[in-house]
Amino acid sequence: AQSVTQLDSHVSVSEGTPVLLRCNYSSSYSPSLFWYVQHPNKGLQLLLKYTSAATLVKGINGFEAEFKKSETSFHLTKPSAHMSDAAEYFCVVVWVSGNTPLVFGKGTRLSVIA
Amino acid sequence: KAGVTQTPRYLIKTRGQQVTLSCSPISGHRSVSWYQQTPGQGLQFLFEYFSETQRNKGNFPGRFSGRQFSNSRSEMNVSTLELGDSALYLCASRPEQVLDGYTFGSGTRLTVV
Repeated sequence: AQSVTQLDSHVSVSEGTPVLLRCNYSSSYSPSLFWYVQHPNKGLQLLLKYTSAATLVKGINGFEAEFKKSETSFHLTKPSAHMSDAAEYFCVVVWVSGNTPLVFGKGTRLSVIA
Repeated sequence: KAGVTQTPRYLIKTRGQQVTLSCSPISGHRSVSWYQQTPGQGLQFLFEYFSETQRNKGNFPGRFSGRQFSNSRSEMNVSTLELGDSALYLCASRPEQVLDGYTFGSGTRLTVV
């Protein structure tokens, strides 16, 4: 079965330091990959998406992610964390080969310490 | 451009009752999908509709149902509510191409007492 694994359930960083949120997916067909962010009591907001055009993808709010096919990974990074980045982050995969639903990772809660 | 609108934002229901949640997609989006989010199970897929037809269904009991209207608005219904149905229900719409990504609404917080 297709699956997504977010390797850390909780990541804590100091403000101004780099952020790394890790995501691996199971490889069947060519995937499209997304990162979404969810602030408390809110819906999910799209941060960025990989659709096979470029392996390094830039998103909103300074986030970027690199697709590495050999490692089946799509890790999310940001050079310098801001207090407003504290939220839940979801790595999401959809396989474009068919009309399949989104597959979500279990989420990583990012805490930013002043 | 208006986003995905979900109503109501909050609901409190009693065990055994039924509930209907509504989702209005972004104009022009014909695909609407529903997700249940709980602390224990995370985000789970309920169903997806495209042009009034259910295209995919998740692993939920028959008490969970949905439909889509000709204007692409969608409703989901849960009958005979159980305490475990308490969750945030999220709706998402997308344009024709999956690669364009899904836009989520703010959700309906359902509490069953």
